[in-house]
Amino acid sequence: NAGVTQTPKFRVLKTGQSMTLLCAQDMNHEYMYWYRQDPGMGLRLIHYSVGEGTTAKGEVPDGYNVSRLKKQNFLLGLESAAPSQTSVYFCASSSPRVRVGELFFGEGSRLTVL
Amino acid sequence: EDKVVQSPLSLVVHEGDTVTLNCSYEVTNFRSLLWYKQEKKAPTFLFMLTSSGIEKKSGRLSSILDKKELFSILNITATQTGDSAVYLCAVGKTSYDKVIFGPGTSLSVIP
Repeated sequence: NAGVTQTPKFRVLKTGQSMTLLCAQDMNHEYMYWYRQDPGMGLRLIHYSVGEGTTAKGEVPDGYNVSRLKKQNFLLGLESAAPSQTSVYFCASSSPRVRVGELFFGEGSRLTVL
Repeated sequence: EDKVVQSPLSLVVHEGDTVTLNCSYEVTNFRSLLWYKQEKKAPTFLFMLTSSGIEKKSGRLSSILDKKELFSILNITATQTGDSAVYLCAVGKTSYDKVIFGPGTSLSVIP
């Protein structure tokens, strides 16, 4: 039971570098999400996707881009990393066919930008 | 702007105590109120409530939603050290299952 898998789990970047976080789910879920979690701020939605080839902005999209070329994968990109993007990133998926609002999360990716 | 507020932000109790966690919200296109538990890593789903006054129970945990006053509470009775976690309140919206989270309540249960 893989569920939602995120790679990498840890990454250290220098300011200005770029990187991509990969999220893969094997539950055939239609919807996928990227959140970031910072101390005292809960989970904030960055971008989400309601299906292959579609993406939309969440609460805090600036500085991030996403792509969903395949239903099972959702990529989060940072083109030019900034220290303010130091955070723990969670990917999640859901399906309206299962239980609306129940998100299945990956284990998180801790990103540090120096 | 959608908003989910939780109180208290942190709480320390002794084993066996009963705790009440609060959640209030202001969200457009409300569909459901959700509670998640987060231990070391990923949040895990606890409850979903969609109707007022309906209490959901799972063992020692229970939750109530008041859609008129826009709040929910999560009760944990006879707390155990394994209940130590961050409890996240969230609101599900009607649009594409978007879920908006509150800041969480960090609960520590000490022996």
